[in-house]
Amino acid sequence: NAGVMQNPRHLVRRRGQEARLRCSPMKGHSHVYWYRQLPEEGLKFMVYLQKENIIDESGMPKERFSAEFPKEGPSILRIQQVVRGDSAAYFCASSPREGAEAYEQYFGPGTRLTVT
Amino acid sequence: AQSVTQLDSHVSVSEGTPVLLRCNYSSSYSPSLFWYVQHPNKGLQLLLKYTSAATLVKGINGFEAEFKKSETSFHLTKPSAHMSDAAEYFCVVSDSFSNTGKLIFGQGTTLQVKP
Repeated sequence: NAGVMQNPRHLVRRRGQEARLRCSPMKGHSHVYWYRQLPEEGLKFMVYLQKENIIDESGMPKERFSAEFPKEGPSILRIQQVVRGDSAAYFCASSPREGAEAYEQYFGPGTRLTVT
Repeated sequence: AQSVTQLDSHVSVSEGTPVLLRCNYSSSYSPSLFWYVQHPNKGLQLLLKYTSAATLVKGINGFEAEFKKSETSFHLTKPSAHMSDAAEYFCVVSDSFSNTGKLIFGQGTTLQVKP
């Protein structure tokens, strides 16, 4: 059973460009969480999605950031018009949200975004 | 609001000596608590979890943690440190208030293991 996959692992964008980060959850998991880790800080929750639904986006910046988890394909975190302050590691986690592992989240390796 | 506080930003131990990483939590509800480890430039790996079963929780790689409600603590311990334990450790609480399962992370503790 493959783990959570994220790509790209490293992404460099110039200020003003768009960044698209992809996350494929573990097989059988239909719940996805995105977290951001700024330098020298812990992880902060951004958004929680189920297939085709955004359940909780209370941690998302109000502008330029959006997320989706379509019926088919990976979850996408999209950052428009990136600024230097968006430079961070973005982690995706998936969960079954049922059964013995209901409370567990399995993390991907992260995408490290650098804005130049 | 729920939160976790990791009391030490850096801990340094010698190889073969015990490890203690301290964590206090704040929660109005019966919390679900976790410890995750992050090696440099890697993702996060779950070490152990507490979800209202046994208060002494055993995890991977010889780590364990004890849930103490009276002290609102969930400290991580290991009897004997190994060089490969050098990493960043995060104490985490699940947000049971919103029932979304989102995780609330502490600031992290960097564990250094000296030979």
